[in-house]
Amino acid sequence: GAGVSQSPSNKVTEKGKDVELRCDPISGHTALYWYRQSLGQGLEFLIYFQGNSAPDKSGLPSDRFSAERTGGSVSTLTIQRTQQEDSAVYLCASSLADRERETQYFGPGTRLLVL
Amino acid sequence: LAKTTQPISMDSYEGQEVNITCSHNNIATNDYITWYQQFPSQGPRFIIQGYKTKVTNEVASLFIPADRKSSTLSLPRVSLSDTAVYYCLVATPPNNAGNMLTFGGGTRLMVKP
Repeated sequence: GAGVSQSPSNKVTEKGKDVELRCDPISGHTALYWYRQSLGQGLEFLIYFQGNSAPDKSGLPSDRFSAERTGGSVSTLTIQRTQQEDSAVYLCASSLADRERETQYFGPGTRLLVL
Repeated sequence: LAKTTQPISMDSYEGQEVNITCSHNNIATNDYITWYQQFPSQGPRFIIQGYKTKVTNEVASLFIPADRKSSTLSLPRVSLSDTAVYYCLVATPPNNAGNMLTFGGGTRLMVKP
């Protein structure tokens, strides 16, 4: 594809419900990242996938957050039992993970609002 | 852990050169310095990347002193469309440690007519 795509673009849910956010990285990119950005804030790293290696989950804020990457391509970020503080823009990025010049290409994000 | 420090905001006028400095005192030997631009309601976009000295592309220049403890993004002759948030990221490619992927708060650049 032309770039990283994310769906849905907007999601409104009720407190306590589970949500799934999807990321389609650029074809051929082996690395995939999830970030969270609260209103007016910087980017908070959540999780990183690189090829077939075990994902780096060091940024996940709680065990309610999990992510999968199937077949080394599409990734799903799941938030269980959502809380109001989970409201934010969730950004996905992918890269070639080339050692010399690594550039992350970001998707447009999913805006999550937990009521 | 190479944390970065940037000014929270800057103002400029159309046609001026803008320099945004990022401090990264704990930069590691293998770390690269990358700058991203983010417009409202969009994901960040790559601007420029460097390791040392000076890098220039069609959009910006990046100046990195010999000690690499800071870097300066230079935007020549800014226009209103350059109003955005600019993030400095210091990390070792390939990014294989989450604690190296902290973008920080960024610098909010406002270009006025």
